[in-house]
Amino acid sequence: DTAVSQTPKYLVTQMGNDKSIKCEQNLGHDTMYWYKQDSKKFLKIMFSYNNKELIINETVPNRFSPKSPDKAHLNLHINSLELGDSAVYFCASSQAPGREKLFFGSGTQLSVL
Amino acid sequence: SQQGEEDPQALSIQEGENATMNCSYKTSINNLQWYRQNSGRGLVHLILIRSNEREKHSGRLRVTLDTSKKSSSLLITASRAADTASYFCATDTGTASKLTFGTGTRLQVTL
Repeated sequence: DTAVSQTPKYLVTQMGNDKSIKCEQNLGHDTMYWYKQDSKKFLKIMFSYNNKELIINETVPNRFSPKSPDKAHLNLHINSLELGDSAVYFCASSQAPGREKLFFGSGTQLSVL
Repeated sequence: SQQGEEDPQALSIQEGENATMNCSYKTSINNLQWYRQNSGRGLVHLILIRSNEREKHSGRLRVTLDTSKKSSSLLITASRAADTASYFCATDTGTASKLTFGTGTRLQVTL
């Protein structure tokens, strides 16, 4: 019954590897997001999709590639992982872009060794 | 740059006391939201206040908004140990389809 679910919850990997995080929402929302939270709890938006269309692409290295196969799913693929990518990544959704309240997943803690 | 700055960064109170957290922001907003994050969990929406509103209540939560000072406060009355969490404000500036989060206040409520 989880509204926004993301997997895996923990991801430990070596530098240089490629990994993916998956996100699914069952709220019928049109908009989905990826946020990154660093070790100081600073939460920054990375990407946003509305009805499978990319609408926000913040200054994120192009090693990060989001993919939205349908409006209920937004996955994040990361190539050539670096130490600085270690963080907690949150998926979120909202009924419409921007000003609506967000529903967050429980996060994926990525540790790059 | 960060749109919202919370103050204080950390707050420790005893159960039953009130907790007040402040958020200051830089640009005009359409609305301001408050979220709670328990340790190891995602953020949970608490309350939304629009730019034409000055005060809003939800249960033990009271939010004020002063657009002239570009600030908001979140008051939690009669705090409980379960209120222990980080609290974030988030602003919608209307110029982009996104919420920008503040730096957060870590609240510790002890028995």
